[in-house]
Amino acid sequence: GESVGLHLPTLSVQEGDNSIINCAYSNSASDYFIWYKQESGKGPQFIIDIRSNMDKRQGQRVTVLLNKTVKHLSLQIAATQPGDSAVYFCAENGLDTDKLIFGTGTRLQVFP
Amino acid sequence: KAGVTQTPRYLIKTRGQQVTLSCSPISGHRSVSWYQQTPGQGLQFLFEYFSETQRNKGNFPGRFSGRQFSNSRSEMNVSTLELGDSALYLCASSLQGGWEAFFGQGTRLTVV
Repeated sequence: GESVGLHLPTLSVQEGDNSIINCAYSNSASDYFIWYKQESGKGPQFIIDIRSNMDKRQGQRVTVLLNKTVKHLSLQIAATQPGDSAVYFCAENGLDTDKLIFGTGTRLQVFP
Repeated sequence: KAGVTQTPRYLIKTRGQQVTLSCSPISGHRSVSWYQQTPGQGLQFLFEYFSETQRNKGNFPGRFSGRQFSNSRSEMNVSTLELGDSALYLCASSLQGGWEAFFGQGTRLTVV
């Protein structure tokens, strides 16, 4: 069936370092991907998205990389800050454009 | 502009009861999607509405239903509540569905 998975359930990084969160997706037909950040007690917050006709997209301190050959997605956070501590989810649109399929999430912990 | 608003934030219900959750999307957004989030299953798609029509439905039993009004506000209903329905129910709005979906804070439902 359709699935999106994450390699690392928990990632611990030192403040100021760069973070890389990885995601594997299984549906070759997916043409849209999103990264969300979810803090405790809050709903997922949109971070950045990318379409399948792109390999890389940059935002403010974040970069998403898409490797369609190996069906891999990554989120890079530059100069990680304590406020970046949260659970990060990747999502794909799968066979349907009307819904998102979410990965299991990676918890990012930032320590001083 | 205002974000996605979900009410109520918290609910406690007894098994067998029914519940109605409400979602007001971002102004101008016509697509509303509902997701269930649990520690064991993660974020799972329930259904998506666009212009008062259900376009897509996830793999949930018929006890879960929804609707969308002409002003794009949406409600979801769960009948004959079970303990396993305890979860965070999230609503996401977007212009056309799937793409650039923005989430509300969620409604935390506890079934006792």
